[in-house]
Amino acid sequence: EAQVTQNPRYLITVTGKKLTVTCSQNMNHEYMSWYRQDPGLGLRQIYYSMNVEVTDKGDVPEGYKVSRKEKRNFPLILESPSPNQTSLYFCASSRLWDTGELFFGEGSRLTVL
Amino acid sequence: KQEVTQIPAALSVPEGENLVLNCSFTDSAIYNLQWFRQDPGKGLTSLLLIQSSQREQTSGRLNASLDKSSGRSTLYIAASQPGDSATYLCAPSGSARQLTFGSGTQLTVLP
Repeated sequence: EAQVTQNPRYLITVTGKKLTVTCSQNMNHEYMSWYRQDPGLGLRQIYYSMNVEVTDKGDVPEGYKVSRKEKRNFPLILESPSPNQTSLYFCASSRLWDTGELFFGEGSRLTVL
Repeated sequence: KQEVTQIPAALSVPEGENLVLNCSFTDSAIYNLQWFRQDPGKGLTSLLLIQSSQREQTSGRLNASLDKSSGRSTLYIAASQPGDSATYLCAPSGSARQLTFGSGTQLTVLP
């Protein structure tokens, strides 16, 4: 089954404790992206990747890091989480960024205390 | 910077009605536009993808149109059903290789 898998789905952590949200897709997609969704602000792009070892900032990259060492994986790293990073995070992938349908993961709800 | 507006923000209709959701965007230099559906607590599901060279796309009871020059897209849902209740989001994809999402239209179809 074609899917985008995120882990963890739910996480409560404390300020400053490094965490990683993993994202994996099984469709051999070139393009992958991370979004956060906040009430009243909608979905905003954090980082995206056009292919292995190619990443770029989205609209709200501050406080986040990503890497794309393999085509299937695109982890989101919060080096020192802060309460303003409490949000619902989505990973997505598509075959090509400009013509491909975007597939989303189920989301990861993160709370930073 | 691309700005996307969806009207109405919420819509409640009786089952069986045909309805139109609107999406407008400020930067017409887009590569494509997607319509998504989001159910509460879930991820987004792509409904229709319209390339910039296309005028419309159809899938079952759904029809999406695109007028790039005027910065508008519409999603038409025929014969609505309670299972169509969800939030619908549009997202144009621009030259900056980014998708910009609208805030969505929350649709409720009453049995």
